[in-house]
Amino acid sequence: DTEVTQTPKHLVMGMTNKKSLKCEQHMGHRAMYWYKQKAKKPPELMFVYSYEKLSINESVPSRFSPECPNSSLLNLHLHALQPEDSALYLCASSQDSERGRTGELFFGEGSRLTVL
Amino acid sequence: SQQGEEDPQALSIQEGENATMNCSYKTSINNLQWYRQNSGRGLVHLILIRSNEREKHSGRLRVTLDTSKKSSSLLITASRAADTASYFCAPRRGAQKLVFGQGTRLTINP
Repeated sequence: DTEVTQTPKHLVMGMTNKKSLKCEQHMGHRAMYWYKQKAKKPPELMFVYSYEKLSINESVPSRFSPECPNSSLLNLHLHALQPEDSALYLCASSQDSERGRTGELFFGEGSRLTVL
Repeated sequence: SQQGEEDPQALSIQEGENATMNCSYKTSINNLQWYRQNSGRGLVHLILIRSNEREKHSGRLRVTLDTSKKSSSLLITASRAADTASYFCAPRRGAQKLVFGQGTRLTINP
């Protein structure tokens, strides 16, 4: 199984709503990532979890709150977002073992978020 | 962090032709990875080339790496309409976070 599953595929929310994006992988990977991608731009790294601990936060506003409940799951909690946060949110995972870090990332299909 | 710069930014060719795109980077690397993204979809890992390798093949893909010039190229032979996508390179140095450049937008015309 080489799949990263993201839900929901599409999400529309108001600026006062609280919602969550979910990501799941069953490849035994120990690193998981959130990327944000605006139209015609490359993915921008937001967060990295390594062994269920937050290892990188790219100065993301606190209205985005990541959570890694276990090694297979990654959530992104959304609260009080702005219209400019509308984007494709991509989850990825990688093996990132201690020896030979090849670091190939496996991506989900993304969650298309629209903030009204 | 390491970031690749892809060139050209956009490439349009006829179906059946070969497509070549290039990637340059600034510091030493352990490996360099290429990804493809179809419009509105997730990225798909295509191929990884290690710093001690000079060339690698996978199906219709050929990747070269020149560490002395800090550059890599991706060649897609006998292009198909399904190859229309954006292509990103990602130089990797150890456990460094993976950062993507602007990418090359490839259009295959029927």
